[in-house]
Amino acid sequence: QKEVEQNSGPLSVPEGAIASLNCTYSDRVSQSFFWYRQYSGKSPELIMSIYSNGDKEDGRFTAQLNKASQYVSLLIRDSQPSDSATYLCAVSRREISSGSARQLTFGSGTQLTVLP
Amino acid sequence: ETGVTQSPTHLIKTRGQQVTLRCSSQSGHNTVSWYQQALGQGPQFIFQYYREEENGRGNFPPRFSGLQFPNYSSELNVNALELDDSALYLCASTHSIGGIEGYTFGSGTRLTVV
Repeated sequence: QKEVEQNSGPLSVPEGAIASLNCTYSDRVSQSFFWYRQYSGKSPELIMSIYSNGDKEDGRFTAQLNKASQYVSLLIRDSQPSDSATYLCAVSRREISSGSARQLTFGSGTQLTVLP
Repeated sequence: ETGVTQSPTHLIKTRGQQVTLRCSSQSGHNTVSWYQQALGQGPQFIFQYYREEENGRGNFPPRFSGLQFPNYSSELNVNALELDDSALYLCASTHSIGGIEGYTFGSGTRLTVV
């Protein structure tokens, strides 16, 4: 079992629709959760971070976290063609054996295409 | 402009050679991490440096090594390059504000080993 799993893609939605991206993680002591957007050939760009259970909204983006179910999701409302990219879910946990290291563990990403 | 600068942007090396990749982060960001991203995969943690000392390492062999300098710059060195080392290498500057972590990635170095 992978530590961070994302729903397999590619995912295609029409312009204006809601895109739903899902992620599950295996490490229960995970503390911080992130969604990154990565355009082809570029580096990941942070879209959302969430640390407590519930929803967090930022513009057209909503992140949802359920620690009991070890599940985090990203909703993109009113999807635009410019949202077409790979979306990476990342989880941060404290590495007790390594002092204060806080590595990010990433999923493999979900490729989203928004069709005009 | 993310505040994290990597060089070079692209690099082609021959199997068996050695390579040094560089990263410069913002003043005050005293933790830097390096990640390897193979094509079609998510980034994988290589190691992290805090105040010039390595304080975390992922599942990478010793031929991957690093340095962090007092001016917040850092290096990733890879010896005895293998074809599978071909990837995008990302440097991430980490910082904490009010106990909340933030991670900023540089634009990356695309390494091709032939």
